Amino acid sequence: LAKTTQPISMDSYEGQEVNITCSHNNIATNDYITWYQQFPSQGPRFIIQGYKTKVTNEVASLFIPADRKSSTLSLPRVSLSDTAVYYCLPDTGRRALTFGSGTRLQVQP
Amino acid sequence: DSGVTQTPKHLITATGQRVTLRCSPRSGDLSVYWYQQSLDQGLQFLIQYYNGEERAKGNILERFSAQQFPDLHSELNLSSLELGDSALYFCASSSLGQGTVDSPLHFGNGTRLTVT
Repeated sequence: LAKTTQPISMDSYEGQEVNITCSHNNIATNDYITWYQQFPSQGPRFIIQGYKTKVTNEVASLFIPADRKSSTLSLPRVSLSDTAVYYCLPDTGRRALTFGSGTRLQVQP
Repeated sequence: DSGVTQTPKHLITATGQRVTLRCSPRSGDLSVYWYQQSLDQGLQFLIQYYNGEERAKGNILERFSAQQFPDLHSELNLSSLELGDSALYFCASSSLGQGTVDSPLHFGNGTRLTVT
């Protein structure tokens, strides 16, 4: 299984752009990279998924370099409601998924 | 709303008892996953079922068991409960069996188990 490394925590202020980078050095060829968001006492919520280059949706952007050994989740103009834990997972959808410790993002006013 | 339904939302029981947690996956999803999350801990994968068959097993204790029924709902059975089993138990579902197409997990809101 590909192992991921993310910062344990990050702090930001409202209105700023936040970039969270995840390292996944031994990602498999078939793995997509998926990011989830989790609020306290709630189940994780799918944010975005990509295979290479850049993916953008209404919530975030995901940047994946050509070697695919890392990925960066970009949250534009964060608000207090973006305070959560963010997890990245390499994911083929065919095997058990192990969540790492995630990155705890704290957004302050 | 993820479309994944977990019941009950809260469960309080005593040590040594047995409980059953229930999960209904999103419509059309064949795969169900169970996770345990203790206070301020990460998500620990327990077990996965796909179309009624066990697909993968994680850090699931022998006191715990699960199954997926023909209608695709799943149950997680926890027996001989200990204080340390107190946690949030999440169920997730995904649609597998589509070649290499990605298949994100969709999580329910969990069952909070308190063992006293």
